[in-house]
Amino acid sequence: DTGVSQNPRHKITKRGQNVTFRCDPISEHNRLYWYRQTLGQGPEFLTYFQNEAQLEKSRLLSDRFSAERPKGSFSTLEIQRTEQGDSAMYLCASSPPISSPLHFGNGTRLTVT
Amino acid sequence: QQPVQSPQAVILREGEDAVINCSSSKALYSVHWYRQKHGEAPVFLMILLKGGEQKGHEKISASFNEKKQQSSLYLTASQLSYSGTYFCGTGEYTDKLIFGTGTRLQVFP
Repeated sequence: DTGVSQNPRHKITKRGQNVTFRCDPISEHNRLYWYRQTLGQGPEFLTYFQNEAQLEKSRLLSDRFSAERPKGSFSTLEIQRTEQGDSAMYLCASSPPISSPLHFGNGTRLTVT
Repeated sequence: QQPVQSPQAVILREGEDAVINCSSSKALYSVHWYRQKHGEAPVFLMILLKGGEQKGHEKISASFNEKKQQSSLYLTASQLSYSGTYFCGTGEYTDKLIFGTGTRLQVFP
């Protein structure tokens, strides 16, 4: 168990640019989640996958956000035309199926200038 | 709807006890508890499922009132390492978790 890995750890970008983050889950976990967290707040749900299928996407998310999990392995989260309000920590988590603990990665901190 | 946690903050001396509460307006299937230290990822503490099943660490105890959609996390004989922010995560009938507002716990010697 090497844990959930996220890259990059930090990303600074200018407003209007596109960014992509990667998450490598624990290998035997078929559930993968993306959350966003700002200072002092709880993680905010973005989307989650079971294998390669995206089961749900937050209605709070604009169409600028998209996530994929090809072949049910790693996942990418893309934000197009970034805005300053997108600045946050983006957390990925994975879990086995059926009401199991989430294992979080260390996150990608995005700063939009 | 985001579950509401209370209190928002707790300050303890080592050895003291604390209770953290989590309340939802939705009918719940599961409640998770996580602790997050500053600059680190949330770490799993406990899962409570509708019907009474629990999974978690031996030194952590919690309860789930299915009728009231409330859960409580009991921290006894607190240690310095217990300091951090505690989040509950609630699940309805899917594995999507919605995290609560958080409770910041500080334990002093």
